[in-house]
Amino acid sequence: KAGVTQTPRYLIKTRGQQVTLSCSPISGHRSVSWYQQTPGQGLQFLFEYFSETQRNKGNFPGRFSGRQFSNSRSEMNVSTLELGDSALYLCASSLEEPHTQYFGPGTRLTVL
Amino acid sequence: GEDVEQSLFLSVREGDSSVINCTYTDSSSTYLYWYKQEPGAGLQLLTYIFSNMDMKQDQRLTVLLNKKDKHLSLRIADTQTGDSAIYFCAESRYNFNKFYFGSGTKLNVKP
Repeated sequence: KAGVTQTPRYLIKTRGQQVTLSCSPISGHRSVSWYQQTPGQGLQFLFEYFSETQRNKGNFPGRFSGRQFSNSRSEMNVSTLELGDSALYLCASSLEEPHTQYFGPGTRLTVL
Repeated sequence: GEDVEQSLFLSVREGDSSVINCTYTDSSSTYLYWYKQEPGAGLQLLTYIFSNMDMKQDQRLTVLLNKKDKHLSLRIADTQTGDSAIYFCAESRYNFNKFYFGSGTKLNVKP
């Protein structure tokens, strides 16, 4: 069974731009969660989607948004990028409840 | 992480046992997890324990949970150089949908 895939793996953007990251969960998994990982703040929960609905949300500004498609694939969008948005963005999938999450390799976003 | 704490570094010699510790504060935690992250990679789920258990063993890994003290530990027996990585403790709370991670413990295994 293929694991969680994330595209692109690396991305460089400039301040003020927007970016869209993609996550394909493990086949059959319906829950997708997103995390931001930085050296200073560690791993922080962004949001979780299940059946195309956002079920839970972390404490991030509205510039961070996401969606999930009917095939469970998920995208995350960050608008008006700031230098502090530079991070590794990790996606995780699980069957229904995120009880056992499996992580993708992440997308490394650098904002210049 | 939010109220999940770990020491930052641990150094052991190959063949020794490693013990990585974690403390959490939320008594509503349902499951507690250990993840491993190697350089440039995502997180790999190593093992997890339900909050009403005291211990779980899985090959070289032993998880101990002291619910009274809100203390979780991961013991790696016969530590190998391939075990060098960052280990994250995490908890899921009542509704399962939110995970809280510790800051990670960097394990260095010396040959």
